[in-house]
Amino acid sequence: EPEVTQTPSHQVTQMGQEVILRCVPISNHLYFYWYRQILGQKVEFLVSFYNNEISEKSEIFDDQFSVERPDGSNFTLKIRSTKLEDSAMYFCASSDGAGAKNIQYFGAGTRLSVL
Amino acid sequence: AQTVTQSQPEMSVQEAETVTLSCTYDTSESDYYLFWYKQPPSRQMILVIRQEAYKQQNATENRFSVNFQKAAKSFSLKISDSQLGDAAMYFCAYRSASKLTFGKGITLSVRP
Repeated sequence: EPEVTQTPSHQVTQMGQEVILRCVPISNHLYFYWYRQILGQKVEFLVSFYNNEISEKSEIFDDQFSVERPDGSNFTLKIRSTKLEDSAMYFCASSDGAGAKNIQYFGAGTRLSVL
Repeated sequence: AQTVTQSQPEMSVQEAETVTLSCTYDTSESDYYLFWYKQPPSRQMILVIRQEAYKQQNATENRFSVNFQKAAKSFSLKISDSQLGDAAMYFCAYRSASKLTFGKGITLSVRP
């Protein structure tokens, strides 16, 4: 069964450093998403991406965040200057359509620890 | 803005018994979908079941079923014949357009 793949599973970084979280969406999907889950809290939407453009972003997704589809398979989330409060689980998701009926399939997540 | 509320932080069920997880939501939209996702200790988010707001019939997936009350904006998940592998965090989620809006989740433990 096709699945969303995220790497690395755990990333440890120093405050102020840049990190790139990587995702390989399901191959025929065109809509991509990043969500964040701070430990013990709800999963929060960060950004959606389609046709090489951001479709929607939340208040969390400020100027230190960026997303990119550098090639035909990868979808990345970059945090330019990490803060302690960026420590969280980051989930990538993909779907084959933008509508509410289209299921978003999630990866296993990347745990980001900012020291 | 849409909100999803899961007021029970934890529940416990005896193996083979039935448990119901509650969820309420608030929206002004008429067309939307509701989802239950399971998050086991591995932290992977796994879709359990989904319900379209326009469908009156409650969705069922094997041992999992929902009780969708549109007027009351309620969407509960019933797990029948609970198994040890059902132990996980369960998130209720709403979607009308691009993004999913999640509740805070409920931790379900299954007693052998």
